[in-house]
Amino acid sequence: EIVMTQSPATLSVSPGERATLSCRASQSVSSNLAWYQQKPGQAPRLLIYGASTRATGIPARFSGSGSGTEFTLTISSLQSEDFAVYYCQQYNNWWTFGQGTKVEIK
Amino acid sequence: EVQLVESGGGLVKPGGSLGLSCAASGFTFSNAWMSWVRQAPGMGLEWVGRIKSNTDGGTTDYAAPVKGRFTISRDDSKNTLYLQMDSLKTEDTAVYYCTTYSSSDYYMDVWGKGTTVTVSS
Repeated sequence: EIVMTQSPATLSVSPGERATLSCRASQSVSSNLAWYQQKPGQAPRLLIYGASTRATGIPARFSGSGSGTEFTLTISSLQSEDFAVYYCQQYNNWWTFGQGTKVEIK
Repeated sequence: EVQLVESGGGLVKPGGSLGLSCAASGFTFSNAWMSWVRQAPGMGLEWVGRIKSNTDGGTTDYAAPVKGRFTISRDDSKNTLYLQMDSLKTEDTAVYYCTTYSSSDYYMDVWGKGTTVTVSS
């Protein structure tokens, strides 16, 4: 099983600041990496697929990068609605998720 | 609009059974691969299993913790996905989400709102 490890577990950021979230795979997943956002009491929402392609309707302040085993999700200027938990997921070999990074208001 | 609506969650005793449904609309269900993903209270996301479209063989695959106990099926005439859960354990307590796969790749692009399953005596 491919293990996905996200860091940090919690990220405290002020509105308007930049947030950088990391995701590492235990073996190469090529570019088969997605990012999801989950707010309390809601289902996850697809943000990024193919490591760097924004899903339909996702604002340009969200960007993804990386390939192989190291990936990054960047939120360029945090808005109030962006405070949430973010999960990475590999779909190269079955499907596994990272444990999540909570982005909270500083 | 693509929509997935899960139902059937509830409280069940350890060793018991429960069946979940997922009603799909807004897309051609018969062509879609579908999956179930769960989230235990306060925890992360865990893939449960997947069913291919019948045109791709309709085969199912499951995560190790549920293999042999859970069964995924589909009724394309009703645009509905099912998850039959048997021999339930307390660790199966979770919100269960129904998801679709992208038509072009294997990421999950649409999620239902989920239904809660509690396994407790």
